[in-house]
This record gives sequence, structure tokens and C-alpha cells, in this order.
Amino acid sequence: AQSVTQLGSHVSVSEGALVLLRCNYSSSVPPYLFWYVQYPNQGLQLLLKYTSAATLVKGINDFEAEFKKSETSFHLTKPSAHMSDAAEYFCAVSDQAAGNKLTFGGGTRVLVKP
Amino acid sequence: GAGVSQSPSNKVTEKGKDVELRCDPISGHTALYWYRQRLGQGLEFLIYFQGNSAPDKSGLPSDRFSAERTGGSVSTLTIQRTQQEDSAVYLCASSLSPDRGLPLHFGNGTRLTVT
Repeated sequence: AQSVTQLGSHVSVSEGALVLLRCNYSSSVPPYLFWYVQYPNQGLQLLLKYTSAATLVKGINDFEAEFKKSETSFHLTKPSAHMSDAAEYFCAVSDQAAGNKLTFGGGTRVLVKP
Repeated sequence: GAGVSQSPSNKVTEKGKDVELRCDPISGHTALYWYRQRLGQGLEFLIYFQGNSAPDKSGLPSDRFSAERTGGSVSTLTIQRTQQEDSAVYLCASSLSPDRGLPLHFGNGTRLTVT
């Protein structure tokens, strides 16, 4: 069975500092991996995805993530945090053996301090 | 264009009552998913519809939960005899097809509170 673990349910960063959100997965087949962001009282929006092409994936709002097979990781980074980045971030894996549905991690809430 | 629409946005109900939650997916999207998000937790898969195929109900937590999708478009999630542990945000998502790698487009959710 596939699973996703996000280390740290809450992360606090200063405006302008590096944002690093950790995600580790387990999958029985080569995975497709996603990061979604959820702003208050809204649904989830896709930030970026890995689908077996380049291992370094760039997304919206200067976010990027690197797929590392040896570490079974897909950590999300952004060089410089903005106040507007305050939100909850979810890592997810799509394992074809699981019927094309996503399995989500528990989420990481990001607080940006001025 | 229009996104995924869910109604109602908020629902408060008494324990033991039945509730219906509605999802209007993006036009032309053949795949539709329901997820549950409990406070401070990630998303739990509930059910998945793809075209005219039999739905994947593997995530439904009990027989009090059911869902249907009429005409390959609108979907309704029904919870019978609601319990307090059913309180959560119920999110609907759709995608153009079930192909891996396609993004899911989420609605804003229905916040269900069972008193």
C-alpha cells in the first residue's frame, strides 16, 4: 500500500527566508508525486507534480521540488518566503496499483513571520 | 471557466439526521473524487467515479455513507444517521480523465458539523 509522510505539521519561517517542507513516500510502483496548497476556506490547488520526467520540478510561485528515488523523498522548497505563502501544504502520491486516486500526507501548515 | 462547485458550503445537522452533499464537477471531466478532511488532518479518500464504470468505494468508512453520480456529471454524497465523528470538510475533485499525472481540481468543500 502507498503512503505519504510529511515531517512537521507546522513550520514557521521569516519573510524572505527559505521554505523547506519535507515529504517521504512509499509506493509499490514508480510513483507520480504532487504538491498541493490549501488557503483558508478554499479547496486544494496544484503547486507542481513529478511524473517520471525531470527529477527537479518547478511549479507556481517559485516553488520547486526534487524527486530522490534513493531517499523516497519529494521535498518542497522556495528560496524566499512571502506573507502570501501562509497556507497548508499537502504532498500526495498516485500509485497506479491504487486505481489512479491520490493518497495524501497529513499536511504542513506554514506560518510566515514579518 | 467555472470550477468545481460544492453545496452547501456549510451544513449543521443534529446527530442521527441524514445529509446530502452536492458536487458539480468541471464540464467534460470524466473522473470525480470525494475526500474527507478532518480538523488538522490530511485528506482521506472516500469514493471515485470514472465515466460509466462501477465506482471505487474502497474508502467509504461505513455503510452509512453512499454516493451516486447521475448522467456522468453531478454527484451526491449521502450520510445517513450522522454521528459526531462525521464532522469534517468534505471535498470533491474532478479531473479530465483518470490518467495518472493529471491534476485534480478541487471544490471549496462542504463543512459538516454534527451536533
